[in-house]
Amino acid sequence: EAGVAQSPRYKIIEKRQSVAFWCNPISGHATLYWYQQILGQGPKLLIQFQNNGVVDDSQLPKDRFSAERLKGVDSTLKIQPAKLEDSAVYLCASSHPPGNTIYFGEGSWLTVV
Amino acid sequence: KQEVTQIPAALSVPEGENLVLNCSFTDSAIYNLQWFRQDPGKGLTSLLLIQSSQREQTSGRLNASLDKSSGRSTLYIAASQPGDSATYLCAVGHSGSARQLTFGSGTQLTVLP
Repeated sequence: EAGVAQSPRYKIIEKRQSVAFWCNPISGHATLYWYQQILGQGPKLLIQFQNNGVVDDSQLPKDRFSAERLKGVDSTLKIQPAKLEDSAVYLCASSHPPGNTIYFGEGSWLTVV
Repeated sequence: KQEVTQIPAALSVPEGENLVLNCSFTDSAIYNLQWFRQDPGKGLTSLLLIQSSQREQTSGRLNASLDKSSGRSTLYIAASQPGDSATYLCAVGHSGSARQLTFGSGTQLTVLP
């Protein structure tokens, strides 16, 4: 069974630029999550989708972050404009149903300079 | 608001030793609790999932316990090996339909040969 796929793995951008991350969850997993993990901290949930609907985006900085999950399969997380404090690993994960074992991708490492 | 704490932040033990990692949470109204392992530069791998109605789960040399009333969970690793070196994170699943996870900051374990 293929795992959660993420791209790109690494990205370096200047502040105020934009960046997009892509995630393809495990086939059949209706729940998709985007987490932000800053070095030395645990992951923080940014947004949770159930199929193509948003279940929780309470911690998503909506003035600069956006996410979509068209057709209830893969998802894109965008940051525009980026700030220095956005430097982190962005982890995508999926599960089915919500509350079951959650599977993570290897993450997209963002450095904002 | 659920808060999850893991102490110590780092632990170093000689190979062969049995060890216990601790996780505490502030709100006992949880759906489940999961323990994860994270290797440097990688995503998270689920180790054990304990439902709120369960007291413990075992997988190989790993045993996780849950005491909801006191807001505590422990991960016991028997006969530690250098390959067990990694960061271990616990995550509490919220009750409610979305079942979001709140993570601790992790314990960085080093097993010395």
